[in-house]
Amino acid sequence: GQQVMQIPQYQHVQEGEDFTTYCNSSTTLSNIQWYKQRPGGHPVFLIQLVKSGEVKKQKRLTFQFGEAKKNSSLHITATQTTDVGTYFCAEPGGTSYGKLTFGQGTILTVHP
Amino acid sequence: NAGVMQNPRHLVRRRGQEARLRCSPMKGHSHVYWYRQLPEEGLKFMVYLQKENIIDESGMPKERFSAEFPKEGPSILRIQQVVRGDSAAYFCASSPKTDAYGYTFGSGTRLTVV
Repeated sequence: GQQVMQIPQYQHVQEGEDFTTYCNSSTTLSNIQWYKQRPGGHPVFLIQLVKSGEVKKQKRLTFQFGEAKKNSSLHITATQTTDVGTYFCAEPGGTSYGKLTFGQGTILTVHP
Repeated sequence: NAGVMQNPRHLVRRRGQEARLRCSPMKGHSHVYWYRQLPEEGLKFMVYLQKENIIDESGMPKERFSAEFPKEGPSILRIQQVVRGDSAAYFCASSPKTDAYGYTFGSGTRLTVV
């Protein structure tokens, strides 16, 4: 079945340091989505990447989609305490378009 | 325009009881998805429904779990004879179509089985 490997599982940074989480898929993806979940909260959609080699930015967040469309990364520049949470990548597909397969997530802790 | 509404937010059930989780999609959304999140784990797909139809239930346990999305009213995820291992956060998401740009999740129902 589909598998999305996401690393690292945990990341502790000092406020102001950068942070990156990576996702790797065993298959070529039509697109990849990224979500953020605050502690005790629900997943919130951040972005979707579709094109090979695509790079998108949202303020301090930079999202990349690999040339082969099998991997993706989320990079946060100069982390802030508000960045705390779990970041998930998710790939669509399987038996229906509605199904998302989520990575295990990277839990980010930012120390002030 | 209210988001995806889930209730209750927290639900405590004794082993063997039934749990009913409700999800009202965003206005105009006819596709509903249920996901389960065990403590410290990612989200696992359970079921995808459209009005009055189950489209994909490949992630649903074969026994005790059922889901519906009637013509009128919210989508219901029903767990019969709950066991401790059912304790988890259950999230519902909705979209206006299958290839929508991202999914909107509800706040979830945290089920605790004691």
